[in-house]
Amino acid sequence: DTGVSQDPRHKITKRGQNVTFRCDPISEHNRLYWYRQTLGQGPEFLTYFQNEAQLEKSRLLSDRFSAERPKGSFSTLEIQRTEQGDSAMYLCASSFSPGLGPILVSPLHFGNGTRLTVT
Amino acid sequence: DAKTTQPNSMESNEEEPVHLPCNHSTISGTDYIHWYRQLPSQGPEYVIHGLTSNVNNRMASLAIAEDRKSSTLILHRATLRDAAVYYCILGQGGTSYGKLTFGQGTILTVHP
Repeated sequence: DTGVSQDPRHKITKRGQNVTFRCDPISEHNRLYWYRQTLGQGPEFLTYFQNEAQLEKSRLLSDRFSAERPKGSFSTLEIQRTEQGDSAMYLCASSFSPGLGPILVSPLHFGNGTRLTVT
Repeated sequence: DAKTTQPNSMESNEEEPVHLPCNHSTISGTDYIHWYRQLPSQGPEYVIHGLTSNVNNRMASLAIAEDRKSSTLILHRATLRDAAVYYCILGQGGTSYGKLTFGQGTILTVHP
């Protein structure tokens, strides 16, 4: 189990620039989640995928944010025209859902996040 | 979403048991009780979850009140590595699971 991997660990960008983060989930996990965490607060849900389908997006995810998971494996989160308020830790998590029949609760495995600083 | 209430901070001594409380008076019948913790500079880590019965695993125990309006995470022997923010979260199983609503959690300090 290599765990959830996120890249880069840190990103500093100037306001108005675009940034893209990558998440590699645990290989057998079909669900992938993105969360955002600001200093002193708990993580906030942004969006999640079941395989390649994006099933839910939070209203926190403005039009400047887009997430993809093209082949149901890794995922990218892009922020366009960054603003200072986008500065946060962006966390990725994965889990397994059997999808059919009784659905079990599968714990989320989080990566260590990408810390974004917008100057 | 049903909400949880936790103390902002707690302190413990190393090798002593720690009882972390969580109130969730508006819990629904289908809500699971989840605990995650977050060590400094790391992502959250799953600790334990339960629905109605008490649960034990290698990390901790979860004691759930009979009316399910409160629960307690028990660390049997705290170590310095247990110093973290502990989150008590309510969430449904099934397709809704994973969309977890984290609060501010309890900051646990462990003294040597």
